[in-house]
Amino acid sequence: SAVISQKPSRDICQRGTSLTIQCQVDSQVTMMFWYRQQPGQSLTLIATANQGSEATYESGFVIDKFPISRPNLTFSTLTVSNMSPEDSSIYLCSGSGPNSYEQYFGPGTRLTVT
Amino acid sequence: AQKITQTQPGMFVQEKEAVTLDCTYDTSDPSYGLFWYKQPSSGEMIFLIYQGSYDQQNATEGRYSLNFQKARKSANLVISASQLGDSAMYFCAMRDNTGGFKTIFGAGTRLFVKA
Repeated sequence: SAVISQKPSRDICQRGTSLTIQCQVDSQVTMMFWYRQQPGQSLTLIATANQGSEATYESGFVIDKFPISRPNLTFSTLTVSNMSPEDSSIYLCSGSGPNSYEQYFGPGTRLTVT
Repeated sequence: AQKITQTQPGMFVQEKEAVTLDCTYDTSDPSYGLFWYKQPSSGEMIFLIYQGSYDQQNATEGRYSLNFQKARKSANLVISASQLGDSAMYFCAMRDNTGGFKTIFGAGTRLFVKA
């Protein structure tokens, strides 16, 4: 199994600023994903992080707001840009292994925008 | 299109009894996987059980079993001998090859175990 870490674990930010969240996997994973979980809600997929190329975004999410990088197979970053209070959520990084039944999650980054 | 439905926002169960959490899904892809995750108040996502669409038998992992009824497109989670520590949010999820092998989640069911 893979162990996923995220930094920071939580942050309080002012509106209009940006925050970059880092995700590190302890072993190579085939795919990496970023999810958002708003308070009391389910997980919503933001994008699939593609190694060495632009991320694939889901409907309602755009690169200008959520730029994502994945320079190698074990590391990815998500930036939440020009933040507003509506961006207050938990952001989770996820990695999928070579077998279809493997999908692991990081502990999440709890973001509060004031 | 992919779709996961959990119709039970909250469930109560007495300690040591069994409970079934419902999940239905929809996909046009014949190859897919179904997952259940537990999310305690700490927020971590804990993988519980997986069922592949071609698996002939229902998946089991300790006290967790998945009641897979393919024709009805349902994948209910059964927790036997409930424990107080089972109180948490439970999410059903599905992955298929539609749009890039991504996993989508249902709305979740909050389980309360009573002593």
